[in-house]
Amino acid sequence: QSALTQPASVSGSPGQSITISCTGTSSDVGSHILVSWYQQHPGEAPKLMIYEVSKRPSGVSNRFSGSKSGNTASLTISGLQAEDEADYYCCSYAGSSTLVFGGGTRLTVL
Amino acid sequence: EVQLVESGGGLVQPGGSLRLSCAASGFTFSIYWMSWVRQAPGKGLEWVANIKVDGSEKYYVDSVKGRFTISRDNVENSLDLQMNSLRVEDTAVYFCARLGGWDRFDYWGQGTLVTVSS
Repeated sequence: QSALTQPASVSGSPGQSITISCTGTSSDVGSHILVSWYQQHPGEAPKLMIYEVSKRPSGVSNRFSGSKSGNTASLTISGLQAEDEADYYCCSYAGSSTLVFGGGTRLTVL
Repeated sequence: EVQLVESGGGLVQPGGSLRLSCAASGFTFSIYWMSWVRQAPGKGLEWVANIKVDGSEKYYVDSVKGRFTISRDNVENSLDLQMNSLRVEDTAVYFCARLGGWDRFDYWGQGTLVTVSS
């Protein structure tokens, strides 16, 4: 049950694209497509942004996209907007009906 | 509209107990696995526990095994977390979340703060 590895922080200017990585192992991220991403603004509950590696729930902007290669999943946000500034967390199924989160990445929009 | 509303948080001394509750509405509670997720102050999210639709299976993160018990009432549409032998490191906001699939928490409550301190 070790946390997935994310960069502590990323930044970008409005209109640019950024990518946040999420590295796990062959027992979690690398073994299936059950990876999700959450956005959390200060003082608020997390919000589901991506599930099953690359699917978007209804209502989530198509500026958010996900992918995976081997043991690393990635979240890309294109056309950065000020409202995207938040903390982002990845999450993976870890087997035996358990889940594991990444440590979180703070996105700063410059 | 799906709603999850937690209650029961507060200040408790180390070694003490607390019971959290989550009232669910706006969906068929009895067909979803449910979870508790916590977030220590200034820290990241940590999955705590899952419970199967009928309560027959329960799973926990290693750090709370033997101390926390998740339960549910499909008549009252409620989810509980009984926390015993609390430690300072259990201090966190505890979120109730619906498990929409094996990789996703698709709805969250607003959380309830548990503070373990002497």
